[in-house]
Amino acid sequence: VQLVESGGGLVQSGGSLRLSCAASGFTLSKYDMSWVRQAPGKGPEWVSGINSGGATFYADSVKGRFTISRDDSKNTLYLEMNSLSAGDTATYYCGRDFIALSSVDHWGQGTLVTVSS
Amino acid sequence: QSALTQPASVSGSPGQSITISCTGTSSDVGGYNYVSWYQQNPGKAPKLIIYNVSNRPSGVSNRFSASKSGNTASLTISGLRAEDEADYYCSSYTSSNTLLFGGGTKLTVL
Repeated sequence: VQLVESGGGLVQSGGSLRLSCAASGFTLSKYDMSWVRQAPGKGPEWVSGINSGGATFYADSVKGRFTISRDDSKNTLYLEMNSLSAGDTATYYCGRDFIALSSVDHWGQGTLVTVSS
Repeated sequence: QSALTQPASVSGSPGQSITISCTGTSSDVGGYNYVSWYQQNPGKAPKLIIYNVSNRPSGVSNRFSASKSGNTASLTISGLRAEDEADYYCSSYTSSNTLLFGGGTKLTVL
């Protein structure tokens, strides 16, 4: 199992960014997946999840601004982020859920998103 | 939703046991048996060490154990080793269909 995130970078406040998470070693569509972020020096914060059936879930802090999706043909998970603010600055990890919306047992290496004001 | 409450730091000597608490509400920790614990070393992604309150994933040492009582979950590390020094986070499923993490506890092995 391998998860490789990409798409992070420096973006201005109010801007948008799309993160990708390429999965290998398993079929993405058969598992529940999550995006978890971690601001510098802070604890992890769950951002969004998508289950194997395609249902999506969001933290209140990103609801209406972020969209999780997946491309089964590319075995890739995405996180579309809009209206970004300084509070969204963090390393973003994608993860494969061991138990849906409860535990994540495989993590990517993370991609850093920095929002400048 | 506020993070689950953990002590900022705990410490112990090699060979000793330590316990880290994680306090939530009846809408998360107390309401479901979906509490997990993670170990995180600097610059690394979190590693799952406990799921469903007290279960260890394959490969995790049996020196790690956990339990729950009411709205508080606890992680115990026995036979403390220098390699256990890390940050530890709890998490819980919530009634809002979200996942909530704790603020984290820094474990220092003296």
